[in-house]
Amino acid sequence: DAGVTQSPTHLIKTRGQQVTLRCSPKSGHDTVSWYQQALGQGPQFIFQYYEEEERQRGNFPDRFSGHQFPNYSSELNVNALLLGDSALYLCASSLIEDIYRSNTEAFFGQGTRLTVV
Amino acid sequence: TQLLEQSPQFLSIQEGENLTVYCNSSSVFSSLQWYRQEPGEGPVLLVTVVTGGEVKKLKRLTFQFGDARKDSSLHITAAQPGDTGLYLCAGRAGGTSYGKLTFGQGTILTVHP
Repeated sequence: DAGVTQSPTHLIKTRGQQVTLRCSPKSGHDTVSWYQQALGQGPQFIFQYYEEEERQRGNFPDRFSGHQFPNYSSELNVNALLLGDSALYLCASSLIEDIYRSNTEAFFGQGTRLTVV
Repeated sequence: TQLLEQSPQFLSIQEGENLTVYCNSSSVFSSLQWYRQEPGEGPVLLVTVVTGGEVKKLKRLTFQFGDARKDSSLHITAAQPGDTGLYLCAGRAGGTSYGKLTFGQGTILTVHP
């Protein structure tokens, strides 16, 4: 049973460019959340997708957008990259019916390390 | 905005010592989770505490949820080099924010042999 997989694992982009990160959720999961983790910090919630729609959003600018496909996989797009966007981007998957249980577990991928130069 | 303050940020100890990591907030959470993250990996869930005053033990790790569900602690007894890693607390709010995890800034633990 494959867990959450993310691609690519590492990426180097130039300031001002655009980037797309990809996530395949754990088998059977239908909800994907994206987090940004700066070096030495805890992850920060970017947004969550369910049924191909953005359901919740954290405090991130519109340069951050996403998409969910019918097979539940998801993409995170960041436009007009800034140096401060350099971080580990984590994808977490879960089942929507489990979301509302207090003890539900979020399964994380290994992340994509984005470096903006 | 809900915030979780985690302390200490760094902890460097010798094998066999005990340690406690704290996670505090002014907000109430429906549950509090502790994750451990290794370099180059995503966080992995260690435990979830739901009830105020709840205590859970996982081998040498003891987790406690405050009575008011605003704070939590992680205590490790007789730390081992294998415990080295980043420890993260994360809270789940209720209502429409249920699917969102709010993380503390993490505690980097180094256990020296």
